[in-house]
Amino acid sequence: KAGVTQTPRYLIKTRGQQVTLSCSPISGHRSVSWYQQTPGQGLQFLFEYFSETQRNKGNFPGRFSGRQFSNSRSEMNVSTLELGDSALYLCASDPGGGYEQYFGPGTRLTVT
Amino acid sequence: QKEVEQNSGPLSVPEGAIASLNCTYSDRGSQSFFWYRQYSGKSPELIMFIYSNGDKEDGRFTAQLNKASQYVSLLIRDSQPSDSATYLCAGTSNTGKLIFGQGTTLQVKP
Repeated sequence: KAGVTQTPRYLIKTRGQQVTLSCSPISGHRSVSWYQQTPGQGLQFLFEYFSETQRNKGNFPGRFSGRQFSNSRSEMNVSTLELGDSALYLCASDPGGGYEQYFGPGTRLTVT
Repeated sequence: QKEVEQNSGPLSVPEGAIASLNCTYSDRGSQSFFWYRQYSGKSPELIMFIYSNGDKEDGRFTAQLNKASQYVSLLIRDSQPSDSATYLCAGTSNTGKLIFGQGTTLQVKP
């Protein structure tokens, strides 16, 4: 099976702009989670989607949002970008909403 | 107090030795624990998971869980230079999220 794919892999944006990241889960996986990874904070949970519904949410401001489509593909949006949003954004999928998560390669976002 | 804590390391072991990676957690409601390996510049890769007290072995890897003491460990036998990576411990929370530790960097020296 093909793994989790994320696009784009690298992104450079300016403060105040918005960005949309995309994730395609492993075929048959219905749950998609998003994480932010930074050297200082480590891997932090953003949100999880299952069957197009947000099932869980981390402690991030409302500028971070997401959605899931009927084919399980997911997008994450960050509005009004701040310098502190520079990070590796990882998407992970699992078969049925358990915790055996399989990560994609990530999107490296740099905000200048 | 962080919910899942790991010593950031680096933990340095010679090739062929046993590497012992430890993790403690604060949420007594955590039921399941996961070990991920992350090579520099790559995404985390699931190595093992453990739900029950005791040991679980998979090849050179053994995960250990002690719920009474709230710790999880990962033993890597016959460590190889290719095992050099950051190892992330994660536990489930009562809110349904997966909580990750900061990770321990392992260096296996030839």
